[in-house]
Amino acid sequence: DAKTTQPNSMESNEEEPVHLPCNHSTISGTDYIHWYRQLPSQGPEYVIHGLTSNVNNRMASLAIAEDRKSSTLILHRATLRDAAVYYCILRYSGNTPLVFGKGTRLSVIA
Amino acid sequence: EPEVTQTPSHQVTQMGQEVILRCVPISNHLYFYWYRQILGQKVEFLVSFYNNEISEKSEIFDDQFSVERPDGSNFTLKIRSTKLEDSAMYFCASSLQGGLYGYTFGSGTRLTVV
Repeated sequence: DAKTTQPNSMESNEEEPVHLPCNHSTISGTDYIHWYRQLPSQGPEYVIHGLTSNVNNRMASLAIAEDRKSSTLILHRATLRDAAVYYCILRYSGNTPLVFGKGTRLSVIA
Repeated sequence: EPEVTQTPSHQVTQMGQEVILRCVPISNHLYFYWYRQILGQKVEFLVSFYNNEISEKSEIFDDQFSVERPDGSNFTLKIRSTKLEDSAMYFCASSLQGGLYGYTFGSGTRLTVV
């Protein structure tokens, strides 16, 4: 799997939007961009994924750069429950397992 | 919403003993996985399982580990002779189409080897 680079940590105020960046300059044409998060003492949780176009779901939005070398996970209104480690993962379209990096630890301040 | 269920939530075992960690994946999912997370470290892939056989495994998944889907609903991870360094959270996951649309993870089993 191609590598991703994320900041170690970020902080946000409650009810503010949060933009979590991810760089993946070596992405290949068949790599999907997946985001997962891990709340304290829980297993990872799927957030969103995309290939080329921006994507929205009930949890978040994913903005993908035109050259696909970076992406941003957008939480529109952070809550205390969004405090977690967020993982940006590139995954070949085949059945290769997810490989987790260190992710970004998001703290949300009330 | 469908869940992946893992039991037990916490297991304490003596070094050298065998342990079996159990998972009930989502019923219509076809791909199954085990991951582990040592305290304070990354989530690490152990093994993937599809069509009743291992499809991929990491170098962590040595001869001490085995997986089984004994009855069409459970998915188990066995560690034959536990070591202190096997102490970790073990997460089971399942997916419908090889994870293209996401894995669903269980909440994990905390294994403590003493």
